[in-house]
Amino acid sequence: QQQVKQSPQSLIVQKGGISIINCAYENTAFDYFPWYQQFPGKGPALLIAIRPDVSEKKEGRFTISFNKSAKQFSLHIMDSQPGDSATYFCAATGRYSGAGSYQLTFGKGTKLSVIP
Amino acid sequence: DTAVSQTPKYLVTQMGNDKSIKCEQNLGHDTMYWYKQDSKKFLKIMFSYNNKELIINETVPNRFSPKSPDKAHLNLHINSLELGDSAVYFCASSQGTGTGVYEQYFGPGTRLTVT
Repeated sequence: QQQVKQSPQSLIVQKGGISIINCAYENTAFDYFPWYQQFPGKGPALLIAIRPDVSEKKEGRFTISFNKSAKQFSLHIMDSQPGDSATYFCAATGRYSGAGSYQLTFGKGTKLSVIP
Repeated sequence: DTAVSQTPKYLVTQMGNDKSIKCEQNLGHDTMYWYKQDSKKFLKIMFSYNNKELIINETVPNRFSPKSPDKAHLNLHINSLELGDSAVYFCASSQGTGTGVYEQYFGPGTRLTVT
């Protein structure tokens, strides 16, 4: 119930195209949904995040779409660029095993390659 | 000026050895984490500390022992290293233990190779 399922595992997109990565969750107690971006040899970095009471959030070329009833959310990268080539992780925050503290649960990642 | 730093960046060692990885953050955060990233890039939380107190301890072999001397530092000591410990280990930090944990700052990682 703590899982976040992410697809596809890898994605190849032409420069200028739209990259779409999807995630699904089961735990309705999850209350924040961030996306992280990781370049090779670097640590993950927060890209954009959304709360479940919002259906869409846009920051520049990056948009999160959130469907609470379907328990799904997705990342759209408009006008994809070679510099966007990285691994993207969806995630969700929720209480850790019923305790007071929260933890971040990650999806398994999507390797995006944007080809010129 | 680095927000979250880890040392060393690379660690190559033989099975059975004991090694430590150090982490420091200068963001003023009170919560720090250790994650393990395997060869398939899966990120799994190992431990979380809040103000030097252990709050998350996932199912990790007790050969792994975290230690937080103060809220800006979280070290990871690994005893009797095994081949399966080979991975990239990330330290991270965030403020608080509530929903704000969505915003975590990661270090550059330590690539551990056990031969």
